[in-house]
Amino acid sequence: SQTIHQWPATLVQPVGSPLSLECTVEGTSNPNLYWYRQAAGRGLQLLFYSVGIGQISSEVPQNLSASRPQDRQFILSSKKLLLSDSGFYLCAWEGGRETQYFGPGTRLLVL
Amino acid sequence: GQQLNQSPQSMFIQEGEDVSMNCTSSSIFNTWLWYKQDPGEGPVLLIALYKAGELTSNGRLTAQFGITRKDSFLNISASIPSDVGIYFCAGRRTPGSQGNLIFGKGTKLSVKP
Repeated sequence: SQTIHQWPATLVQPVGSPLSLECTVEGTSNPNLYWYRQAAGRGLQLLFYSVGIGQISSEVPQNLSASRPQDRQFILSSKKLLLSDSGFYLCAWEGGRETQYFGPGTRLLVL
Repeated sequence: GQQLNQSPQSMFIQEGEDVSMNCTSSSIFNTWLWYKQDPGEGPVLLIALYKAGELTSNGRLTAQFGITRKDSFLNISASIPSDVGIYFCAGRRTPGSQGNLIFGKGTKLSVKP
């Protein structure tokens, strides 16, 4: 069966510091992968999606970037964090029949 | 941008009550999904709908794909305390399109004080 992992689970970072969040999927190959941000427990904002290695589409211009160095690995990064980058970051993979399955999330607090 | 209107925004439930929520759009959708999110966790897929008029159940949960293809409904029968959480609808307009899953803002279910 397929599983999706995210780490770290929680992160507290100072403003201006770099960021790297990792997402990995097991049990499937060449999945479509997604990064979402959720603020205040409501509303999912799509940040990036990827249909394959090295292929990244950005939905919202921002302080973040994404990369897909391996088939089942999706990374969210920033060179310099802003206060507004705080939130709950969710990675998802696309299963059959257009469904998306979410990871456990990473809570990021920028101080 | 494209939006889904989800209502109610929040509601209080008493154990044993039935619960209803819905999601509407000004555009036609080809897929409707319903998710539940517990605090501090990722959303979990509850039900997926693919055809207008389709009615699908998952235990005490029943969801319907509206016949106009512009709305969807989720009902929870005989609610229990573990039903509390945030329920999200999500829709996709074009089959097979990537990155075009649109989410509602959620319905927060809480227990009546």
